[in-house]
Amino acid sequence: GQNIDQPTEMTATEGAIVQINCTYQTSGFNGLFWYQQHAGEAPTFLSYNVLDGLEEKGRFSSFLSRSKGYSYLLLKELQMKDSASYLCAVSDSNYQLIWGAGTKLIIKP
Amino acid sequence: IAGITQAPTSQILAAGRRMTLRCTQDMRHNAMYWYRQDLGLGLRLIHYSNTAGTTGKGEVPDGYSVSRANTDDFPLTLASAVPSQTSVYFCASSESRYDYNEQFFGPGTRLTVL
Repeated sequence: GQNIDQPTEMTATEGAIVQINCTYQTSGFNGLFWYQQHAGEAPTFLSYNVLDGLEEKGRFSSFLSRSKGYSYLLLKELQMKDSASYLCAVSDSNYQLIWGAGTKLIIKP
Repeated sequence: IAGITQAPTSQILAAGRRMTLRCTQDMRHNAMYWYRQDLGLGLRLIHYSNTAGTTGKGEVPDGYSVSRANTDDFPLTLASAVPSQTSVYFCASSESRYDYNEQFFGPGTRLTVL
């Protein structure tokens, strides 16, 4: 079956750096997405990786290794507003997004 | 520009009742999707539509139906609601279902079936 694994919860300190990992096993691969979801709100797009390597976008970076079935989202200079769930999703061979359960990130002052 | 709107925001429904969740987008996106989100689980695809006039089944389609009469609207119907359909429902859209398919989400409908 298809599977996306990410940690359930992480805690970090304001101003610090945190890395959220995602491993996947899917039938085919057409890209990996990261979304942010604040409590009670809709998911919003953060990043997309289809080739191996690091994509940087401001304080957020996302890395992909297709051979290892692995990605991470790196958040720098953490702010309180970054407290949210971070969802990893893989586009499979049918271009269907397979979603992880999300990582709840708690930021402490 | 509203993006994607959903209605109602929340609803409490008696088991056995019929319910339609509405979804409208103004981005002229070809593809639209319905997901449900349950605690501890990832978003699960219920139904999708590649373009107006076509629909397809996702991972958890049983008990749900959809239609896509035009580009903007993609309603989801529960013919006879059951308590296991209690969930938060998100509608989403993307320019295309293929290749780079960043999805944009509506605000969600919180549905409780008693």
